[in-house]
Amino acid sequence: DAKTTQPPSMDCAEGRAANLPCNHSTISGNEYVYWYRQIHSQGPQYIIHGLKNNETNEMASLIITEDRKSSTLILPHATLRDTAVYYCIVRVGGGGSNYKLTFGKGTLLTVNP
Amino acid sequence: NAGVTQTPKFQVLKTGQSMTLQCAQDMNHEYMSWYRQDPGMGLRLIHYSVGAGITDQGEVPNGYNVSRSTTEDFPLRLLSAAPSQTSVYFCASTPGGNNYGYTFGSGTRLTVV
Repeated sequence: DAKTTQPPSMDCAEGRAANLPCNHSTISGNEYVYWYRQIHSQGPQYIIHGLKNNETNEMASLIITEDRKSSTLILPHATLRDTAVYYCIVRVGGGGSNYKLTFGKGTLLTVNP
Repeated sequence: NAGVTQTPKFQVLKTGQSMTLQCAQDMNHEYMSWYRQDPGMGLRLIHYSVGAGITDQGEVPNGYNVSRSTTEDFPLRLLSAAPSQTSVYFCASTPGGNNYGYTFGSGTRLTVV
């Protein structure tokens, strides 16, 4: 699986958009970009994923560059409850052992009042 | 629909003791995994299963055994606990395919003294 690079920490003001970047310059054509977050001491929570198109759900938007070498997770109106470690993970599509997730250290997003 | 249920939530073991961490899911997911998380680090894969009767090793399998006799249950066994196994353990499941993320349990906090 391609390796990802994320900033170790970011701050965001409550109510503003939080834009979390992720570099995955060695991504292959069949690899998906997944985002998870982990609020202190809890199990990780799936947020969103995509292959090459931009995606949006009730939690966030995912913007993937045209060359697929980087992506940005956008939380449109960050709240204090969005303070968490955010993990960007690249995973090969398909079944079997491809369902393994490789976690890095992620980005600690702190939303300030 | 309880999701992924892990028991116990907390456990203290003495070095050399054995125990089983329980993981159950009620979503009929084919794929299940066990991860450990040490302080300040991301999650590392211990073992995973792609279906009942099928298991495989992850990144850090030594000292742990698993079995998958049913779709719902995926217990993790520590044969002879060591202080290095002090960690937070997370179980996760996914239905498979490229359209879903993993659902994680709330974790088991294990201390080996």
